[in-house]
Amino acid sequence: TQLLEQSPQFLSIQEGENLTVYCNSSSVFSSLQWYRQEPGEGPVLLVTVVTGGEVKKLKRLTFQFGDARKDSSLHITAAQPGDTGLYLCAGEGSGGSNYKLTFGKGTLLTVNP
Amino acid sequence: ETGVTQTPRHLVMGMTNKKSLKCEQHLGHNAMYWYKQSAKKPLELMFVYSLEERVENNSVPSRFSPECPNSSHLFLHLHTLQPEDSALYLCASSRGRLNEQFFGPGTRLTVL
Repeated sequence: TQLLEQSPQFLSIQEGENLTVYCNSSSVFSSLQWYRQEPGEGPVLLVTVVTGGEVKKLKRLTFQFGDARKDSSLHITAAQPGDTGLYLCAGEGSGGSNYKLTFGKGTLLTVNP
Repeated sequence: ETGVTQTPRHLVMGMTNKKSLKCEQHLGHNAMYWYKQSAKKPLELMFVYSLEERVENNSVPSRFSPECPNSSHLFLHLHTLQPEDSALYLCASSRGRLNEQFFGPGTRLTVL
């Protein structure tokens, strides 16, 4: 069974601070996706990383896929209240079902003004 | 039209009721999914339909019954549910190799 561990589980910071959240596994994933979910809504895809060592930037968000494709990180620079939400990582396995994503439990981020 | 819609947004039902959740996608995707989201647990994949055929059934109890009449619509029929089935039920669709999921807003289900 593939598992994705996300840390920290909860994070509360002030506007303007930087933060990093992590997504770790002992399994190899062919790709990894990051989602943000706001209260009362479904998750929204932020980015997909595919290649080991890949770095992708989305405005103030920087995503990195580990060289071994077992882990990923999300770094937010100068966080804003609009960044508040549940950040989920999801991995697509390198074998087995073509449709199954493994999700982590998420990091609940609160950015205080 | 928004990408993936779900109705109803909220549902309260007794253990003896029968109800259905509806999902519709307007994105031209060829796969649709039902997920269950409970507090303190990862998103749990329940069912996957690809081109209207069920390709995944993740050991879901028979009191949940999916239906996919066409590539744009997905239903989840509910009967004799238990209080522990209370959760947010999310529908998603995808297209392409990376299976990037486009989620609906979810149905918040409470079983009394």
